[in-house]
Amino acid sequence: LAKTTQPISMDSYEGQEVNITCSHNNIATNDYITWYQQFPSQGPRFIIQGYKTKVTNEVASLFIPADRKSSTLSLPRVSLSDTAVYYCLVGDTGGFKTIFGAGTRLFVKA
Amino acid sequence: DSGVTQTPKHLITATGQRVTLRCSPRSGDLSVYWYQQSLDQGLQFLIHYYNGEERAKGNILERFSAQQFPDLHSELNLSSLELGDSALYFCASSYGRAGGHRNEQFFGPGTRLTVL
Repeated sequence: LAKTTQPISMDSYEGQEVNITCSHNNIATNDYITWYQQFPSQGPRFIIQGYKTKVTNEVASLFIPADRKSSTLSLPRVSLSDTAVYYCLVGDTGGFKTIFGAGTRLFVKA
Repeated sequence: DSGVTQTPKHLITATGQRVTLRCSPRSGDLSVYWYQQSLDQGLQFLIHYYNGEERAKGNILERFSAQQFPDLHSELNLSSLELGDSALYFCASSYGRAGGHRNEQFFGPGTRLTVL
């Protein structure tokens, strides 16, 4: 499984764009990159998934460079309710384990 | 609401006891995953079942066991409980196997286990 590295924590202010970068140097050819969001005492929630280039949905964008050794989750105009832990996962399509890692704790201030 | 249900929501028990946590996956999902999350810790992957068969084990203690039944619901059994087993236990389900395209996991609300 590809190991991921993310910043432990980040602070931001309401209305700002937040970019969280995840490193995954050993990503395999068939691996997808998936991001989850977790609020305290709740299960993680899927945010976005991508393979290469850029993916955008109604809540976030995911930027993946050509070498796929990193990815950046972009949250536009964050609000206080975006305060949560964000996990980057790199999937192993041939296997069955999922390793969440420590995640990035985002704190949005007013 | 993710469509994944877990019971009970809270469980308080004593050291040395045995408990069973139950998970019902989303309709149509074949994979069930169990995770443990201690206070302010990350999610620790315990075990994964796919269509009734065990597919992967993570950091699951020998005192813990799980199974997935023909109707695809799953149970996690925790025995000889210790204080350190107090945690949130999450179940997740997905249609296929972990990591695949569009194969995101849907998490239940969790069972909070307190061992006194």
